[in-house]
Amino acid sequence: DAGVTQSPTHLIKTRGQHVTLRCSPISGHKSVSWYQQVLGQGPQFIFQYYEKEERGRGNFPDRFSARQFPNYSSELNVNALLLGDSALYLCASSRQFSSYNSPLHFGNGTRLTVT
Amino acid sequence: DQQVKQNSPSLSVQEGRISILNCDYTNSMFDYFLWYKKYPAEGPTFLISISSIKDKNEDGRFTVFLNKSAKHLSLHIVPSQPGDSAVYFCAASVNAGGTSYGKLTFGQGTILTVHP
Repeated sequence: DAGVTQSPTHLIKTRGQHVTLRCSPISGHKSVSWYQQVLGQGPQFIFQYYEKEERGRGNFPDRFSARQFPNYSSELNVNALLLGDSALYLCASSRQFSSYNSPLHFGNGTRLTVT
Repeated sequence: DQQVKQNSPSLSVQEGRISILNCDYTNSMFDYFLWYKKYPAEGPTFLISISSIKDKNEDGRFTVFLNKSAKHLSLHIVPSQPGDSAVYFCAASVNAGGTSYGKLTFGQGTILTVHP
């Protein structure tokens, strides 16, 4: 079975631009979560989507948005990019809504650099 | 507010010996804990988990211990192998009370190096 796939793997954008990151979950997984990992830190929760509805949002500004499609794939959108948005963006999928006994499976991430 | 902390940025161990990675948390609502391993250029990979109703969970060379009164968990790797060299993250979640969702709160990570 294919794992969680993310595209693109690397991206360079300029301040003020907009970016869209994409994620395909493991087949059969209905929950998709997005995390931001800044160098030297652990991943930070941005969003969780389950059955195409937003089920959780972390402490990120409204410039960050996401959606989940009928095939359970997901997009993360970031508007008005700031230098501080430079990070590794990780997508994770799981079978269930809850993390209990349903560990998240992560993709390899998208490395975003904002100049 | 760092609710999950890994106070050791790095750990160096000889092959065959025990590796002990530590993690502390402050949120008493956390009831499920996980360890992930991350190699460069890859996403985190799930290793082992433990529910707050247990104090120990074992899977092959990996054992996780939970001390709820101290709000502390540890990951033991025995015996350590060079292929275990990676960044290890502990993570925690709140699942009780009908508000369960998939949010994990991660620590900062510990870089483990296992020397041959």
